[in-house]
Amino acid sequence: GAGVSQTPSNKVTEKGKYVELRCDPISGHTALYWYRQSLGQGPEFLIYFQGTGAADDSGLPNDRFFAVRPEGSVSTLKIQRTERGDSAVYLCASSFSPWDEQFFGPGTRLTVL
Amino acid sequence: DQQVKQNSPSLSVQEGRISILNCDYTNSMFDYFLWYKKYPAEGPTFLISISSIKDKNEDGRFTVFLNKSAKHLSLHIVPSQPGDSAVYFCAASAQIQGAQKLVFGQGTRLTINP
Repeated sequence: GAGVSQTPSNKVTEKGKYVELRCDPISGHTALYWYRQSLGQGPEFLIYFQGTGAADDSGLPNDRFFAVRPEGSVSTLKIQRTERGDSAVYLCASSFSPWDEQFFGPGTRLTVL
Repeated sequence: DQQVKQNSPSLSVQEGRISILNCDYTNSMFDYFLWYKKYPAEGPTFLISISSIKDKNEDGRFTVFLNKSAKHLSLHIVPSQPGDSAVYFCAASAQIQGAQKLVFGQGTRLTINP
């Protein structure tokens, strides 16, 4: 497939557990973004990568959230000690360059029980 | 604080008529505005955008209007088609604050009735 893919599509976990969410961007896209969409809200920016480095992580809500993109392609969003308030759809997007259109993946629906 | 607001959670329009979706923003630094369309279980899809140096941008059935003095933008779809039924998000960014950081509104669910 040529689009942004995210795995898993659904993740159910218990409060306090650790989760990892994966994003495979479109091949050749240097910029990658993570957003979080809570019920009834629009996507909320979390972090933006240019290549391997996090160029802007101002949207990460606290230090339980961390994201990596070690080889400049696939990215993993990591959430430690999950809380019920972390339940949301986590969206990943990529773009050819920071100034280009962002293409979104289908998202991972995270449910923390 | 909601910097981008879509005050209508839903809108119902008859097929063939014009659909008008509205969006207001508060951050005067925003200089680029976008509309995204979202179907269930899919990610948002880019629809149309406008730079703050323009007041109108048209692409087929879709036109976006920007009123900077009122901090208001709107999306017009004409004629509306059943396939247009989806949730529409407006988004904004500020080059000086990081153009990549899109700020989204809450979305408006558009239903086109046959």
